[in-house]
Amino acid sequence: DAGITQSPRHKVTETGTPVTLRCHQTENHRYMYWYRQDPGHGLRLIHYSYGVKDTDKGEVSDGYSVSRSKTEDFLLTLESATSSQTSVYFCAISAERGLRSSYEQYFGPGTRLTVT
Amino acid sequence: AQTVTQSQPEMSVQEAETVTLSCTYDTSESNYYLFWYKQPPSRQMILVIRQEAYKQQNATENRFSVNFQKAAKSFSLKISDSQLGDTAMYFCAFMKRNSGYSTLTFGKGTMLLVSP
Repeated sequence: DAGITQSPRHKVTETGTPVTLRCHQTENHRYMYWYRQDPGHGLRLIHYSYGVKDTDKGEVSDGYSVSRSKTEDFLLTLESATSSQTSVYFCAISAERGLRSSYEQYFGPGTRLTVT
Repeated sequence: AQTVTQSQPEMSVQEAETVTLSCTYDTSESNYYLFWYKQPPSRQMILVIRQEAYKQQNATENRFSVNFQKAAKSFSLKISDSQLGDTAMYFCAFMKRNSGYSTLTFGKGTMLLVSP
């Protein structure tokens, strides 16, 4: 258990509304990631963070923004949700080099988002 | 860019038998890691096993072992003495070795059903 929680766990929202998903970690890890999981695609990286206020885009970043104002929280925002963003969203962390291998990622429980 | 291919969308095995899940990948990198993740119906992503590309010895974790063929870019997972709790989606994943953060590229997954 890497101490990762995600909120909400389920959400249904309407097209065009803003949505923010939260990832919270309790172990002070530097690196955090957001993935989405869709049938037939596995998991795909949306954005990642390598420190407070340090973020970068992943493979499928269009339509998403992120923020990290504290080490423990990584927020994913859909500014104007679309039906194509219906998915399961996973947060992950990887540790600092020297504490636990920084090459292993540990995942939160996921958030199922439905955009109607 | 890296690609990961899992050619078996579904597999089934009977309890106590052995099953092998296939994974191939394509990369021009020389330093990388490979992983197998398990996703049971609970949706939680669980790290099963990892392999460092520079290690020739195949990784083993209890009933789970890999056959890593670097030249062939193949990374299969063998599950021995299958148990009902092994029923899950299994994802193969590739990680390029960076200086700090790490990003995963996933295959599309293989659904494994273990029957009594």
